[in-house]
Amino acid sequence: DIQMTQSPSSLSASVGDRVTITCRASQDISNYLAWYQQKPGKVPKLLIYAAATLQAGVSSRFSGTGSGTDFTLTISSLETEDVATYYCQKYKNVPLTFGGGTKVEI
Amino acid sequence: EVQLVESGGTLGQPGGSLRLSCAASGFTFSASAMTWARQAPGKGLEWVSSISGGDSTYYADSVKGRFTISRDNSKNTLYLQMNTLRVEDTAIYYCAKFRGSVVTAISDWGQGTLVTVSS
Repeated sequence: DIQMTQSPSSLSASVGDRVTITCRASQDISNYLAWYQQKPGKVPKLLIYAAATLQAGVSSRFSGTGSGTDFTLTISSLETEDVATYYCQKYKNVPLTFGGGTKVEI
Repeated sequence: EVQLVESGGTLGQPGGSLRLSCAASGFTFSASAMTWARQAPGKGLEWVSSISGGDSTYYADSVKGRFTISRDNSKNTLYLQMNTLRVEDTAIYYCAKFRGSVVTAISDWGQGTLVTVSS
């Protein structure tokens, strides 16, 4: 099975900072990658699919890049409402593996 | 507006059975691929099972042979039959909808239902 490894597992940044989270697949998954945001006590929310396509209604502060095995989620200017855990997920085939998550704090 | 409402979560015994339900509305359920994912307390997300719009089913190795996903398109309801429960099945179980009729990114999530497996 393909493993998904996120880094870092947690980070602390200041309001206005540019934040980058990486996700690495153990095999080529093309662009079959999604990013989710889960705020404390809330359900996950789709941010990006197909590695770089912003889900409707999601702030343009979020962007995704990558293809193959290496992917990045960037928050261009961190806001307090972005405090959450972020997960990548591959969906090229089953199992639909999630990364371990990256907890973002202010 | 897509709505997914889970039910059936409760305290179960190791070796026992539970059935989760998910009532769907706001979209064409019969044409949509659906999935169950779970999150153990304080842990990350784990994919459990999926069913396509064409009724193909898929399972995580951890639940294969014990859990069964199904759907009743006449009732717009998704099910997860959970047999031979284990303590490690304790989690919030989310019903979720994929972006289309095939297994892809998850666009909508229910609020979740808590399953606790303990003697």
